[in-house]
Amino acid sequence: DAGVTQSPTHLIKTRGQQVTLRCSPKSGHDTVSWYQQALGQGPQFIFQYYEEEERQRGNFPDRFSGHQFPNYSSELNVNALLLGDSALYLCASSIRQTGALYEQYFGPGTRLTVT
Amino acid sequence: DAKTTQPTSMDCAEGRAANLPCNHSTISGNEYVYWYRQIHSQGPQYIIHGLKNNETNEMASLIITEDRKSSTLILPHATLRDTAVYYCIVRVHYGQNFVFGPGTRLSVLP
Repeated sequence: DAGVTQSPTHLIKTRGQQVTLRCSPKSGHDTVSWYQQALGQGPQFIFQYYEEEERQRGNFPDRFSGHQFPNYSSELNVNALLLGDSALYLCASSIRQTGALYEQYFGPGTRLTVT
Repeated sequence: DAKTTQPTSMDCAEGRAANLPCNHSTISGNEYVYWYRQIHSQGPQYIIHGLKNNETNEMASLIITEDRKSSTLILPHATLRDTAVYYCIVRVHYGQNFVFGPGTRLSVLP
């Protein structure tokens, strides 16, 4: 059973460009969350997708957007990249079921460097 | 902001028990305590969670005080591979995002 997978592993972009990161959730999971982790800090929540809709959003600007596909995979898009967007971007998947409590499983992350 | 307070760093001798404390004095009755760890350059890994009873699994034990204002994660026989940043998080039921603090950097020494 494959866990959460993310692509690409590493990415280098120039300031002002746009980037798309991809995530495939763990088998059987229907909810995908994205986190940004700057060097030396804990992950910060960006947003969460369920049933192809954004359900929750953290304190991130509109330059950060996402999408969830019918097969539950997800994309994170960042427009007009800033140097401060350099970070490890983590995808986490979970199951959203009434009456149940499920932990989130994290992928290995995509390391984005903005120059 | 994170609702938990953890020591910045800790050392533990290999083979000994590692006891990682966490303070969550403002925890609500419906909030669970979760522990994750992050080994260098990897995504966070789920360890254990609990509400008010002590919990044990193949990785660790979680001891929650009776007033639920603090907890301790116990790795019974630490190995060098347990060197990581350990995050203590409180969270309500499913659907809520995790709020990570800076965590505790545990170094297991040979």
